[in-house]
Parts: sequence; structure tokens; C-alpha cells
Amino acid sequence: NAGVTQTPKFRVLKTGQSMTLLCAQDMNHEYMYWYRQDPGMGLRLIHYSVGEGTTAKGEVPDGYNVSRLKKQNFLLGLESAAPSQTSVYFCASSPPGLAVNEQFFGPGTRLTVL
Amino acid sequence: GIQVEQSPPDLILQEGANSTLRCNFSDSVNNLQWFHQNPWGQLINLFYIPSGTKQNGRLSATTVATERYSLLYISSSQTTDSGVYFCAVDNYGQNFVFGPGTRLSVLP
Repeated sequence: NAGVTQTPKFRVLKTGQSMTLLCAQDMNHEYMYWYRQDPGMGLRLIHYSVGEGTTAKGEVPDGYNVSRLKKQNFLLGLESAAPSQTSVYFCASSPPGLAVNEQFFGPGTRLTVL
Repeated sequence: GIQVEQSPPDLILQEGANSTLRCNFSDSVNNLQWFHQNPWGQLINLFYIPSGTKQNGRLSATTVATERYSLLYISSSQTTDSGVYFCAVDNYGQNFVFGPGTRLSVLP
């Protein structure tokens, strides 16, 4: 099992450019999440999905879009990147349940917007 | 929304020392998880511990959900324990709320 993988690992964008981050998991988990981590801070939830074809907003969703077309993949899109979106992005997945169970994290994507 | 506090914010230890990290939360939770973020940025699951006590080698954790806190114990610390320790809680929603972390530096 590869667990949770993220592509790419690093990326530099210019202001206004667009890009898509890919998260893949091979654990057959229903729930998937995108977080961002700014320097010296904890993680904040951007968007999440409780199953294929469903997405929901988290704490800081502005400027991002997501899609969950396949159960194993969760895509995070930036349509027009801004310097404020410079951050490390983490994807996570967890099995279903009445409450969130243990979350498993990917290695992160470091994004710099110039 | 729920608030999560961690203390101390920073901790410096000599190799071999023991330490206790604390996580307080402002409302009822039904799940809690401790993570270690190593100096390379990788998040490592330490404990999934909504209640009770668990141990894994030199690390152990205790959560008292009714009193709204959790403790992470590190014994005989090693330089590889350095990094940031986060607790995250689920307040009956679909996601975790992370604390600000405790930055641990273990000196040789």
C-alpha cells in the first residue's frame, strides 16, 4: 500500500496562473480532505469530501475548488493563484463512520506563488 | 467553533530527558489524534486516542474527554523526537480542528 500520495511535491507559480494538485489513496477510504499549513501554524481545512461525487467547504475555501470524480482521487484546483496561497498543502483520508476516524496524511505539496 | 490550545508552545530538552505536552479543547469531542511533524515537514500519526491511555514504545498518551484535555508523554527523548507536535480534535463534524502545536527541540 502506498497510502496517501500527492502530486506534485513542489511547485512555483506566478500570480494569476492556475494549477491542480492531485491526491490519491489506495486504502478505499470514503473521506478525503485538503488542508493548508502556513509557516508556524497548524493545519486548516480547505475542502473535504465524504464520498465520490460529493464535496464540502471547510474553514478556508475561498480561492480553491475541488472535485472527487473517483473514490481514490481528490483534486484541489487554484484557478487564479495569489501570493496569499503560498503554503504547504496536505491531503488526508479516513474511513467512514458516525464521526471522523483516524486520518492518514500525504507527504505534502509545497507551493510558492510569486 | 471549538478552540484547541497546546502547551508549552516551545520546549527544549537535553537528550534522555522526559517531557509532557498538553492539549486543551473548549468543547466536547469524540475523536482526538496526536501527530508529529518532523523537520522535513512530514506528518506522522502518533496516536488516535478519543479516550483512555495508549502506549507505543517511549511515547504514551492519555485523553480525559470529560475534562477536555489530552497529554502526550515522551520518555528518554532522542534527537529524532525533534519537530512539532500537533493535537487535532473532531467536534462531531466531518473534520479535525488542529491546535497550534508544540515545537520540541532535543539537544545531543
